[in-house]
Amino acid sequence: EDQVTQSPEALRLQEGESSSLNCSYTVSGLRGLFWYRQDPGKGPEFLFTLYSAGEEKEKERLKATLTKKESFLHITAPKPEDSATYLCAVQAIVTGGYQKVTFGTGTKLQVIP
Amino acid sequence: GAVVSQHPSRVICKSGTSVKIECRSLDFQATTMFWYRQFPKQSLMLMATSNEGSKATYEQGVEKDKFLINHASLTLSTLTVTSAHPEDSSFYICSARGEAGARTGELFFGEGSRLTVL
Repeated sequence: EDQVTQSPEALRLQEGESSSLNCSYTVSGLRGLFWYRQDPGKGPEFLFTLYSAGEEKEKERLKATLTKKESFLHITAPKPEDSATYLCAVQAIVTGGYQKVTFGTGTKLQVIP
Repeated sequence: GAVVSQHPSRVICKSGTSVKIECRSLDFQATTMFWYRQFPKQSLMLMATSNEGSKATYEQGVEKDKFLINHASLTLSTLTVTSAHPEDSSFYICSARGEAGARTGELFFGEGSRLTVL
């Protein structure tokens, strides 16, 4: 069964204090790994898609990287507006040939001014 | 990015009544829509996958007679919670994927609907 584990569950940073969030996955036939940002009471907002080990993508203060077993979301010099829950999801081909997306439980990030 | 609209954002109903939630893709044709349920501090749990014009595929443990899904057009899917009970109270989120997304896997989510059953 596909598994996605995110750590830490919660992270509290001072403004400007860089850090990384981890997403470990166990999946057969990975077709893509996604990062989303979710604000309280809102639907997830798409950030990145990574397809193969070694791939990196950047957007403003965020940088996502991918290995064969995990992905990291690096946050450089975070600001209070970066506070949110960050979700990782993997897409794989399952029995029957259809694609299934499995989400992790998220990392709740709080950036303190 | 693509826009997915979900309505209503909040709904309170009495036990035993039915509630319909709509999910619309506003600027693309959604060949596939997904319905998720999210409990506090938990991950999104996929309930069902619907393709336009065909019956929804439900995940194991999800009652298809209780959670009716209709995907009648390429821009609209609905989830009806029938005979709702307090344990159905949750945050329901839809997501949509167009043909390009079938290759890339990118999903675009609605804003979610908070259902409270009294």
